[in-house]
Amino acid sequence: SQTIHQWPATLVQPVGSPLSLECTVEGTSNPNLYWYRQAAGRGLQLLFYSVGIGQISSEVPQNLSASRPQDRQFILSSKKLLLSDSGFYLCAWRGRAKNIQYFGAGTRLSVL
Amino acid sequence: EDKVVQSPLSLVVHEGDTVTLNCSYEVTNFRSLLWYKQEKKAPTFLFMLTSSGIEKKSGRLSSILDKKELFSILNITATQTGDSAVYLCAVVGPLLQGAQKLVFGQGTRLTINP
Repeated sequence: SQTIHQWPATLVQPVGSPLSLECTVEGTSNPNLYWYRQAAGRGLQLLFYSVGIGQISSEVPQNLSASRPQDRQFILSSKKLLLSDSGFYLCAWRGRAKNIQYFGAGTRLSVL
Repeated sequence: EDKVVQSPLSLVVHEGDTVTLNCSYEVTNFRSLLWYKQEKKAPTFLFMLTSSGIEKKSGRLSSILDKKELFSILNITATQTGDSAVYLCAVVGPLLQGAQKLVFGQGTRLTINP
């Protein structure tokens, strides 16, 4: 069966520091991968998506970037964090056959 | 602009009550509608609805889609404290360069008091 791993679960970082969040998927190949951010009391905002290795598309301009160095690995990064980058970050995957996205456990990021 | 609106945003009921959560949408090239339950971390998948009028059911939860009026409802009967969560509605819109795009509503925070 397929599983998705996301880490760390919680992160507190100072303003101006770098960021790296990692997501890996097991049990499937060539998935679509997604990064979302969820602000408190709000729905999920799509940040990046990827249909294959090295293929990244961004939905909104921001201080973040994403990379997909391997088929089942998706990384969210920043060179210098801003206060506004605080939030709950979720990684998701979708297999080719279904319209359902499955989510990782999320990373709660606090930028202070 | 594609949008999904959920109501109410927050709901507090007593254990045993029945609740109805609403989701309306305006999305180009609609493909399907998804319901998720989010307790503390990862949203977990509940239902996918593609056709109008066909009820999906899982235990005490059920959902139905109306593609003419552009809305869906999620019903929970005989609620339990374990049903307390944020319920998210998402609509599958047009493909983005081969990838599926989900447009999410704000969520409904449901609290079940014993």
